[in-house]
Amino acid sequence: DTAVSQTPKYLVTQMGNDKSIKCEQNLGHDTMYWYKQDSKKFLKIMFSYNNKELIINETVPNRFSPKSPDKAHLNLHINSLELGDSAVYFCASSQSSYSGTEAFFGQGTRLTVV
Amino acid sequence: GNSVTQMEGPVTLSEEAFLTINCTYTATGYPSLFWYVQYPGEGLQLLLKATKADDKGSNKGFEATYRKETTSFHLEKGSVQVSDSAVYFCALDTDKLIFGTGTRLQVFP
Repeated sequence: DTAVSQTPKYLVTQMGNDKSIKCEQNLGHDTMYWYKQDSKKFLKIMFSYNNKELIINETVPNRFSPKSPDKAHLNLHINSLELGDSAVYFCASSQSSYSGTEAFFGQGTRLTVV
Repeated sequence: GNSVTQMEGPVTLSEEAFLTINCTYTATGYPSLFWYVQYPGEGLQLLLKATKADDKGSNKGFEATYRKETTSFHLEKGSVQVSDSAVYFCALDTDKLIFGTGTRLQVFP
C-alpha cells in the first residue's frame, strides 16, 4: 500500500532519447510535486500541481513537461535527454498547497543518461 | 528570496552521543519549518515540523524549536543510534517547500 509510487525506480538511457516517469498517489491529496535531487543531494522543486492545475513552474528547461491526467497522477516527460539530466527525481504529494502541510515523497527514480 | 542554510556534513558520531544539526533560514513572511529525513535508497520522510515562532517540533527523540529572533530551527537529539544514520534536510514552506542542502549523519557503534 505505497502512498506515493513512482515508476520506474531506475532508468538508464542514451542522450537524445525521450522518457517518462510516472507517479501515482493513493492518499486523496490535492497537490502533487516533482523534485530533482542532484549528485550532492541538493533537492529542488521543479513543478507543482493542485487539482490538475499547474501552480509552480520553476526555471526548468522546456524539455521537461509534466502531465496530470487526474489529481492522483502526475507524470513527467523529458525530451531530448542530456547528460546533465542525470539525477534522482522525486514525486511528492500533500493534502493542500498551504504552508505547513506535510509532503509525502515517493522512493525516487534514478535517471542515468549516458 | 527565501532560503535555508544547513551545516555541511558529514556529521560522524558514536552511538549515544548528543546530536545538533544547525539550520538557519531567510524568509519573507512567516514560514513553516520542517526537518525531513532520507534513509539510504528511500524518499524523504517528515521528521518534525513547527508552524509558528516558539513552537517545538518533536518526534522519535528528535527536537527542534522555531526561533524567530535568530531565524533558526536547529535539530537536536540527546542520544543517537546507529539506525539514525541518514541525510537530514531542513526546509521552509511559504508557498513551496525549499530545502537546505542536507546533512549526512553517520553513527557508529
